[in-house]
Amino acid sequence: DTGVSQDPRHKITKRGQNVTFRCDPISEHNRLYWYRQTLGQGPEFLTYFQNEAQLEKSRLLSDRFSAERPKGSFSTLEIQRTEQGDSAMYLCASSPWTGDNNEQFFGPGTRLTVL
Amino acid sequence: SQQGEEDPQALSIQEGENATMNCSYKTSINNLQWYRQNSGRGLVHLILIRSNEREKHSGRLRVTLDTSKKSSSLLITASRAADTASYFCATDAAGSQGNLIFGKGTKLSVKP
Repeated sequence: DTGVSQDPRHKITKRGQNVTFRCDPISEHNRLYWYRQTLGQGPEFLTYFQNEAQLEKSRLLSDRFSAERPKGSFSTLEIQRTEQGDSAMYLCASSPWTGDNNEQFFGPGTRLTVL
Repeated sequence: SQQGEEDPQALSIQEGENATMNCSYKTSINNLQWYRQNSGRGLVHLILIRSNEREKHSGRLRVTLDTSKKSSSLLITASRAADTASYFCATDAAGSQGNLIFGKGTKLSVKP
């Protein structure tokens, strides 16, 4: 257990529905990252926050995706109008990033299946 | 896009043997990290090596970095069945904001 939690662990939804995932990072970590991982691949970066500010978004993050970290603590990732191609493991990670060490602590992930 | 390429894609060894995995990447880096992932679970950080370091040890793990060849290797000595997992290298590219770029991973199977 790394200290990062994600909820839910599994989500099955029908195409076109909206889903929201939550990540609770290690409390003293200022950075929070979201990644997506499909079967047989490594994680791919989606977006990250420094405290409550969203500082970078990957081109993988289409307009249907939105992420928030309202008080610089937990974060949510919402996918609107889900598509079958959104099926993947969504991973959250936090980091005490100091500019020199960005070791990341990953949560267990939320596995999304879109039917 | 994925920067790192691990080699081999899969590796099967007997308990007690050493396992070596290699990683190649494309751009200049601040550091390179290795992570382990058990089937269907989150990733666990193993070791970080900075661009000005050449070798690092942690327990049974030994990591080398050759920035001139843009490559790294992870050696696990005296492997155990519990080491069975996928291993990923991840690069923190120079000039990036700290997000990591992962390879596709090496799937290691250690047979008892």
